[in-house]
Parts: sequence; C-alpha cells; structure tokens
Amino acid sequence: GENVEQHPSTLSVQEGDSAVIKCTYSDSASNYFPWYKQELGKGPQLIIDIRSNVGEKKDQRIAVTLNKTAKHFSLHITETQPEDSAVYFCAANFNTDKLIFGTGTRLQVFP
Amino acid sequence: ETGVTQTPRHLVMGMTNKKSLKCEQHLGHNAMYWYKQSAKKPLELMFVYNFKEQTENNSVPSRFSPECPNSSHLFLHLHTLQPEDSALYLCASSQDPVYGYTFGSGTRLTVV
Repeated sequence: GENVEQHPSTLSVQEGDSAVIKCTYSDSASNYFPWYKQELGKGPQLIIDIRSNVGEKKDQRIAVTLNKTAKHFSLHITETQPEDSAVYFCAANFNTDKLIFGTGTRLQVFP
Repeated sequence: ETGVTQTPRHLVMGMTNKKSLKCEQHLGHNAMYWYKQSAKKPLELMFVYNFKEQTENNSVPSRFSPECPNSSHLFLHLHTLQPEDSALYLCASSQDPVYGYTFGSGTRLTVV
C-alpha cells in the first residue's frame, strides 16, 4: 500500500549539533522525495527535494540522501540554529499524481 | 505570504452549522488540493483538482463537499460535522500533481 514512515517523532538537539530525520517508503516505483518544514501557524514549506537518479543533494546546511535499494531517505541538518526548530515532513510520490507524507518530526534546537 | 491564501484562519462551528473554507492561489498553478492535518497523524489528502476537474476523492465523508469554480479558487463546504473533524485544513497548489506544492497557512477548524 501507499505508506511513508518517518522517525523520530521528536528530536531535541543543542545549537550547533547535527540533526538527522529518516523516512522509509513502500513503493519501489517512487522517484521523487521532497522535505517540508512547517513552522508554528504556517503551512508546510518545501525546503529540499531529491529525485531517484541521484543519491545525495546539498543546499547549504541541509542535505538529503537516498538509498533506493533499501527504500529510505534522510534529511541532515548541520550546525543547527534555533530557527531550525519546526516540524519536518518527508514525502514520496505514488504513481504520477500524488504525494504521500510521513507523520512528521518535531525538531527542537536549544540555544 | 506564499501565494496561496486561505480564509478564515480560524473557525468554530456547531455540529448543525454549514460553513465554507476558501482557498485562492495567485501562482498560475493548475492543480489544487485539500489536506487534513490532525495531531500525530500524517497529512491526509482529501481532494485533488487538476484543471478544475476533480481527480481524487480519498474516501472523504459526504459532509465535506469541495468546489473548484476556476483554477485559482477552491472551496470546501462543510455541513453536519463531527467533533473528530476538528483539525487544520490545508490548501495547496502546484503546476504538476507531484512537484512543487505550495501550501497555504491553513484553517484551524474546531467543531463543538
């Protein structure tokens, strides 16, 4: 079935440390994996995405890795800052017409 | 502002009321979506409109009724809701059904 699992559900780190969030997906045909950040009182916002033809993508302090064989992908945030505190969602496409989202990870960065 | 505007931001309604949520996008996108966000659950896709045609109805109860009069506007009509329908309702739009979703800030609905 269509399923995306996300772990952990909550994550607390000290400012400056790294944070890693992991997701697994069920459909081996999925080929697009975006990550969204949701701040309090706002809707989710796309922060980075990766397609199945690459294994890693970086954008400043954020990186995403993809392991197609194992059907999992991860978000890595380095040198975390208090403004990184938010809920992060992974997603994967199913067929060509929908995104299925994970359950979210609440990240807290303590100064 | 993301380019997707939802109104109202907050709504409290009784179980016998009828209300509507509104979503408007100024991005020139062709697809619009309604999602339900409840605590500790994944974002649940409710409805998809592509070029004003409904292409997905994810087994949503008939007390939720979508309307898409044009590619810039999307409504969700609500009637005889249940307390478990209380949630954040998010609208999103995209140029493609999968890539580049832009979400609105949502309507926080409370059913009493």
